[in-house]
Amino acid sequence: AQSVTQLGSHVSVSEGALVLLRCNYSSSVPPYLFWYVQYPNQGLQLLLKYTSAATLVKGINGFEAEFKKSETSFHLTKPSAHMSDAAEYFCAVSVNFGNEKLTFGTGTRLTIIP
Amino acid sequence: GAGVSQTPSNKVTEKGKYVELRCDPISGHTALYWYRQSLGQGPEFLIYFQGTGAADDSGLPNDRFFAVRPEGSVSTLKIQRTERGDSAVYLCASSLGVTGELFFGEGSRLTVL
Repeated sequence: AQSVTQLGSHVSVSEGALVLLRCNYSSSVPPYLFWYVQYPNQGLQLLLKYTSAATLVKGINGFEAEFKKSETSFHLTKPSAHMSDAAEYFCAVSVNFGNEKLTFGTGTRLTIIP
Repeated sequence: GAGVSQTPSNKVTEKGKYVELRCDPISGHTALYWYRQSLGQGPEFLIYFQGTGAADDSGLPNDRFFAVRPEGSVSTLKIQRTERGDSAVYLCASSLGVTGELFFGEGSRLTVL
């Protein structure tokens, strides 16, 4: 079975500062990893995905994540936070690409301080 | 429609009642998923359809929960004899099944009093 741990249920950063949201995974087989974002009153939306092609993955809105097998991590970063980044972010893992039966973390709510 | 549509957006019911939640996926998406999100938690997998058949229903918590997708498009999640613990946001998502991306609806918030 696979699992995901997101450290920090709430993260606050100043506008223009670095965003770092942490995700560690557990999987007995090579995982597929995802970050989804949920803006207020909207459905979850895919930010980026790791599918074993490249360890550094770039997503929408300037976000990126690096797959580190030795650390079993897939942390999400953005160099400069924008007010519009305020949302809830979910890390998720799957072991079968194309079958999106995902195991999600508990989420991190990102607040941007003006 | 352009996205995944779920109805109702909010449903309040009494303990013991029967509830149906509907999902209309993106046109052409063969795969359809139901997830449940309780307060403070991430979405939890319930069931997955490929076409008309349930390919994996291992996440359904008990036999009070049932889902159908009779024509391979719209799906209905059915909950019998609702309990207070069933209160959650029920999310539907669809996909092409080959890109690794799920497209989610806004969810149906179920409150059982």
